[in-house]
Amino acid sequence: GQNIDQPTEMTATEGAIVQINCTYQTSGFNGLFWYQQHAGEAPTFLSYNVLDGLEEKGRFSSFLSRSKGYSYLLLKELQMKDSASYLCAVRDLKLSFGAGTTVTVRA
Amino acid sequence: SAVISQKPSRDICQRGTSLTIQCQVDSQVTMMFWYRQQPGQSLTLIATANQGSEATYESGFVIDKFPISRPNLTFSTLTVSNMSPEDSSIYLCSVEPASGDYNEQFFGPGTRLTVL
Repeated sequence: GQNIDQPTEMTATEGAIVQINCTYQTSGFNGLFWYQQHAGEAPTFLSYNVLDGLEEKGRFSSFLSRSKGYSYLLLKELQMKDSASYLCAVRDLKLSFGAGTTVTVRA
Repeated sequence: SAVISQKPSRDICQRGTSLTIQCQVDSQVTMMFWYRQQPGQSLTLIATANQGSEATYESGFVIDKFPISRPNLTFSTLTVSNMSPEDSSIYLCSVEPASGDYNEQFFGPGTRLTVL
């Protein structure tokens, strides 16, 4: 089975940095995804890691350590529009999602 | 990428009735999935819609309750049968294009279902 854990909520100030951690225990591994979901909308793809290390894409970066079953999503230079739920998802034969982390950005 | 549309976008239904949700993709895709997202929760996979054969259901979901069709590589339907208030949820169609860089999955806009 799959077990994917991430914090429920995080709050940060505009312009700051926030790191969302995700730990997982899965029977197989074929990549880890981060999705962003604004309230009332569908999830949208942010990042993908399949090898250990850091993937940077603009203000967002994602890190993976397969040996530790650990990933994080780093959001830099936070903007108000970054207030959303961030979903960690792990693929073995299928994509399984964590419960999501609600990030609130305050002015 | 893939552009996915779902119909209806939302509906309010009576207990005991059934609703069929349609998912249309703008390109042929290998994999199509149906997810449920209950209020305040994350996504739960209901089933994988297989073209030309029966869908593959996840634990806790059965064909009699959630019959699925996939007549071709761009279209699928999910029916929520004999509905109860516990079925109130957002139902999302998701696809994995054949030519995706990361086997990335794209999501449709969702169908918001309320059962009274």
